[in-house]
Amino acid sequence: QVHLVESGGGVVQPGGSLRLSCAASDFTFSDYGMHWVRQAPGKGLEWVAFVPHVGSNTNYAGSVKGRFTISRDNSKNTLHLEMSSLRAEDTALYYCAKNKDPYKRDLAFDYWGQGTLVTVSS
Amino acid sequence: DIVMTQSPDSLAVSLGERATINCKSSQSVFYSSNSKNYLGWYQQKPGQPPKLLIYWASTRESGVPDRFSGSGSGADFTLTISSLQAEDVAVYYCQQYYSTPYTFGQGTKLEIK
Repeated sequence: QVHLVESGGGVVQPGGSLRLSCAASDFTFSDYGMHWVRQAPGKGLEWVAFVPHVGSNTNYAGSVKGRFTISRDNSKNTLHLEMSSLRAEDTALYYCAKNKDPYKRDLAFDYWGQGTLVTVSS
Repeated sequence: DIVMTQSPDSLAVSLGERATINCKSSQSVFYSSNSKNYLGWYQQKPGQPPKLLIYWASTRESGVPDRFSGSGSGADFTLTISSLQAEDVAVYYCQQYYSTPYTFGQGTKLEIK
């Protein structure tokens, strides 16, 4: 059974930075594209960023482009999201999610972690 | 960006009855080269992450009960629960993965009448 465990969330002041991590296990992490998706309290889902299984052809939502950086360490089975210039509207539960099939992009997300909460507040 | 619009925003259905949720995309998510609709449906119960129910608009994910079905093509899609069970109370989201930014509908809250 696939496991995705997010960490790194917390309370940060506006303009601050935070680094989220997602530890993956029980599947061949290096074969799958990965995503970050967020959900503001009581709101819907917003896709944030994608990183392919290898390479640097990443994609971002317009709301985070230039402020967030998605990356992965396939040697450690870990996904990261580096967040800077944080705003109140970035407050959300951040999920990591896995592409359904290996090697490809533009796929549904078949496994999700439980999420890590980021609160941007002074 | 492709805008996904679900209807209704909320829905109350009696146990054993059919529930239908609609999803429209602002442009087609059908890719003619492989004849696939890049559309998924997710179920989210309170305090849980989303769960994939349907992908390619009509393919049921492994382990999902067959009372859940997806249909539609191009820009109009439907999720149908043929006989509502108590455990189906949740928020349902459609999502296009045709192009980035991948976008979700606003969600439909399904309750028991």
